[in-house]
Amino acid sequence: GAGVSQSPSNKVTEKGKDVELRCDPISGHTALYWYRQSLGQGLEFLIYFQGNSAPDKSGLPSDRFSAERTGGSVSTLTIQRTQQEDSAVYLCASSLLGNGGTEAFFGQGTRLTVV
Amino acid sequence: AQSVTQLGSHVSVSEGALVLLRCNYSSSVPPYLFWYVQYPNQGLQLLLKYTTGATLVKGINGFEAEFKKSETSFHLTKPSAHMSDAAEYFCAVSEVDNDMRFGAGTRLTVKP
Repeated sequence: GAGVSQSPSNKVTEKGKDVELRCDPISGHTALYWYRQSLGQGLEFLIYFQGNSAPDKSGLPSDRFSAERTGGSVSTLTIQRTQQEDSAVYLCASSLLGNGGTEAFFGQGTRLTVV
Repeated sequence: AQSVTQLGSHVSVSEGALVLLRCNYSSSVPPYLFWYVQYPNQGLQLLLKYTTGATLVKGINGFEAEFKKSETSFHLTKPSAHMSDAAEYFCAVSEVDNDMRFGAGTRLTVKP
């Protein structure tokens, strides 16, 4: 597609359930990022992929969070045993892996609400 | 890892006044610096970026930012604010490996 696509756009889940969030990056973009945006908290870095590998997983908040990327394309962010504090907008972005000065293009995000 | 600090989570200016949003970065190597804007109920979009060369960078909608290595700063300015500039602004830094980190954001309010 023309842009970064995230699905679902909205997700309401019960506390304790697992959720999977999907990101389709722009075709040909080798770098992929996940961020979390909570009210008043700015953009919290979660994880970054170069191709299928994740050089930096330091932002994942707990071991309930995991992410993978296959085929250098689609990525899924999985949250197990969701908690109310996981409620936020989860943003995905992608960029060409170049010299580091390339623009990151963002999806519209997945709004997760844990009830 | 590289990091960004945005001073002031909320800035309010009058229409026509100067806009100044502050950003300081930390990086062990020459950084690449970005400003992104998020208008209400919209996704993030690039406003401007600095990679190499001229330290004063011009972006969309009349915004500009100046890279000052000695001050480790990349402040965003606009001479005259418009009501349509009301949004959240994020400063970001990346290094050669493309790992991009964002600041906490500054919400700009423009008063009539």
